[in-house]
Amino acid sequence: EVQLLESGGGLVQPGGSLRLSCAASGFTFSRYAMSWVRQAPGKGLVWVSLISGGGGTISYAGSVRGRFSISRDNSKNTLFLQMNSLRDEDTGIYYCAKELSGSGYYYPDYWGQGTLVTVSS
Amino acid sequence: SYVVSQPPSVSVAPGRTARITCGGNIIGSKGVQWYQQRPGQAPVLVVYDDSDRPSGIPERFSGFKSGNTATLTINWVEDGDEADYYCQVWDSGRDHYVFGSGTQVTVL
Repeated sequence: EVQLLESGGGLVQPGGSLRLSCAASGFTFSRYAMSWVRQAPGKGLVWVSLISGGGGTISYAGSVRGRFSISRDNSKNTLFLQMNSLRDEDTGIYYCAKELSGSGYYYPDYWGQGTLVTVSS
Repeated sequence: SYVVSQPPSVSVAPGRTARITCGGNIIGSKGVQWYQQRPGQAPVLVVYDDSDRPSGIPERFSGFKSGNTATLTINWVEDGDEADYYCQVWDSGRDHYVFGSGTQVTVL
């Protein structure tokens, strides 16, 4: 059974930093791309960042590029998101997602339960 | 940034059919996925690659795409189908994916 367990969320002041983790189990972690997707309170889903199975290909949404950094440790089956220079608009639930690849595209097939990040003074 | 449009809400009586559309210029080029998100829960994949269903998803859920519009159909709607539904498509120009704005399905 695929399981994704996020941690590391919390309350942080604007300009601060936070590091999210996602512990994966139930599949061969290194074979799959992974993503972070966020959801502001009462709003829709927004893709944040994606990393390939080996870590060699990384992409970011424009709103977080230069502030957030995605990484993974395949020896520990763990995905990370380092978030710096946090802004009020970064507030929301952050989901870790396992990705499948179609013909030239990716999509999430499993999601964690999410971790809440609140940016506020 | 690219916009993928969905109706904000759809209301349907139990036992009837709900149809949710997803439209945009990039819809036609890659497969479309649909996710169900019940209140307070994580999203669940209900349709992938336009019309395929993951194991465990009832046959009542089906997907179809024509041109730049994809449609999720829920037949014989049940109370448990009340949720937000999001389409997801890959933007080849930006090399990442986007979600539709979401549709809230209310079972009357």
